[in-house]
Amino acid sequence: AQSVTQLDSQVPVFEEAPVELRCNYSSSVSVYLFWYVQYPNQGLQLLLKYLSGSTLVKGINGFEAEFNKSQTSFHLRKPSVHISDTAEYFCAVSEVNDKIIFGKGTRLHILP
Amino acid sequence: EPEVTQTPSHQVTQMGQEVILRCVPISNHLYFYWYRQILGQKVEFLVSFYNNEISEKSEIFDDQFSVERPDGSNFTLKIRSTKLEDSAMYFCASSGAGALNTGELFFGEGSRLTVL
Repeated sequence: AQSVTQLDSQVPVFEEAPVELRCNYSSSVSVYLFWYVQYPNQGLQLLLKYLSGSTLVKGINGFEAEFNKSQTSFHLRKPSVHISDTAEYFCAVSEVNDKIIFGKGTRLHILP
Repeated sequence: EPEVTQTPSHQVTQMGQEVILRCVPISNHLYFYWYRQILGQKVEFLVSFYNNEISEKSEIFDDQFSVERPDGSNFTLKIRSTKLEDSAMYFCASSGAGALNTGELFFGEGSRLTVL
């Protein structure tokens, strides 16, 4: 069965600084990988996804993630964060036409 | 853009009461899911539904929970006798199959359930 580990529960970062949110997964088969964002009191919005092909995936709001099969990682990055990026970020994994399993989430705090 | 819609957005109920949360998945989607998120915690899988039957359920999805697709458009989650610990945000999701399979689940905005 697949699982997801988000090592950091909270990440503080200054505005306009770069950020990396870490995600590692485990699975015995090929998987799809996702990052979802949840703004305060809102639902889940897909930031980006990796299905196949290029290991560098670009998403919305300037975010990107890199799939690293050997390290079973899918870290999320943004070169320069904005106050509006304050949110909870969830890494997730699924097999084809199967449920998505979410990590515990990383709360991104943007410091002025 | 097609979207998953959920009603109600917020429901307050007394412990022991029955609650039905409703979802309208994206048309032409064939896989349906319910997830829940207790305040401040991770999003947890409850159940998946395909071809008019449950395909998988988690340990959370006990006999108090049931799902139904009564009319080909709605997908409902029923909690027969609510407990305090059922207070959470419940998310519905759907995904396509075959040529409609984009690999992702499309989530609704959620229904917040508060059990008093």
